[in-house]
Amino acid sequence: EAEVAQSPRYKITEKSQAVAFWCDPISGHATLYWYRQILGQGPELLVQFQDESVVDDSQLPKDRFSAERLKGVDSTLKIQPAELGDSAMYLCATSGGQNNYEQYFGPGTRLTVT
Amino acid sequence: GQNIDQPTEMTATEGAIVQINCTYQTSGFNGLFWYQQHAGEAPTFLSYNVLDGLEEKGRFSSFLSRSKGYSYLLLKELQMKDSASYLCAVRETTSGTYKYIFGTGTRLKVLA
Repeated sequence: EAEVAQSPRYKITEKSQAVAFWCDPISGHATLYWYRQILGQGPELLVQFQDESVVDDSQLPKDRFSAERLKGVDSTLKIQPAELGDSAMYLCATSGGQNNYEQYFGPGTRLTVT
Repeated sequence: GQNIDQPTEMTATEGAIVQINCTYQTSGFNGLFWYQQHAGEAPTFLSYNVLDGLEEKGRFSSFLSRSKGYSYLLLKELQMKDSASYLCAVRETTSGTYKYIFGTGTRLKVLA
């Protein structure tokens, strides 16, 4: 069964350092989402891609966060510099296959900023 | 504006039935989803409602009333493994694309 892949699974970094997360969607899924989930809360959309184009980045803190999906396949999310408040789970999800209504989540990257 | 409300926490006994409610206010409604999320793991899809009524899938059922902006997830014959957070999410269509808005989740504890 096809899955969304994310790496790394866990990341510990010091504040002011740069971090990057990678997501490989299910083949053929045109829509890719990056979410941030703080403990005890629901996922919050950071950025949404349709193929290689950003369709929604209204909640992305653009002074420190960037995201790209250059060839419309895999994607990277970068934080520079990291702040203590960025500690969270970063989830990648994709949709757009045959079962178009369903969103498939990757295992997430747990970021701890010290 | 967008607003999704669900209880923060619920407790139930093994073998019992529990209903988790969700109310929402949104524009461009295009479906309501329920996800299960165990601690430290990613959400997994449980159910999808786009029309009014009840959708049943094994021990789990989900109901939607679009006119009332209301949904519930019904879990029957509770098992210990059902202890998890349950996320209500609304899908909106905006300019031809789908956007998902999640509630804060309901943490369910199943007691022996």
